[in-house]
Amino acid sequence: KQEVTQIPAALSVPEGENLVLNCSFTDSAIYNLQWFRQDPGKGLTSLLLIQSSQREQTSGRLNASLDKSSGRSTLYIAASQPGDSATYLCAVGASGTYKYIFGTGTRLKVLA
Amino acid sequence: EAGVTQFPSHSVIEKGQTVTLRCDPISGHDNLYWYRRVMGKEIKFLLHFVKESKQDESGMPNNRFLAERTGGTYSTLKVQPAELEDSGVYFCASSQSRVTTSPLHFGNGTRLTVT
Repeated sequence: KQEVTQIPAALSVPEGENLVLNCSFTDSAIYNLQWFRQDPGKGLTSLLLIQSSQREQTSGRLNASLDKSSGRSTLYIAASQPGDSATYLCAVGASGTYKYIFGTGTRLKVLA
Repeated sequence: EAGVTQFPSHSVIEKGQTVTLRCDPISGHDNLYWYRRVMGKEIKFLLHFVKESKQDESGMPNNRFLAERTGGTYSTLKVQPAELEDSGVYFCASSQSRVTTSPLHFGNGTRLTVT
């Protein structure tokens, strides 16, 4: 049974810091992995999607990596800003199905 | 392009009543999903439609939950009768045809409170 874990559960950093959010999963049989952002009271916004055959994806200040064999993904945020404050969730697409298994998220607060 | 729309945004009902949640996916998206988050837990899959067909409903908790997708457009999720443990946020998401390469687009969710 696929399980997704995100560490840390919460993180508070000063503005301008580079930071790394971690996601681990127990079953390497995935077809992709997505990183989402959720603002309070809102839905999830897809940030990056990495195919199982890819190693990383970049969008602006965000870079996500995937190491399928070790069951890990990281989301790197460069030069963090207060507007980056949100909950970040990773979700893996389980092979053989079209459903996503979500982690519990990392609550990020960037202090001005 | 309009995003995924969910209605209502909030619903408070008493145990034993019926509630129907609605989702309008992004136009042209064949894939429609329902997920939910109950208090303190991770977001969990409920079911997946491809057009009007249920592709996977393995996450539906029990037969009090009924999902439909009329003509492959909007979808409804009915809970009848509602129980206390059904409280949570119900999210709808949609994606384009190629599920493995298309990102999920989520609605803002419906917060359901059963008292």
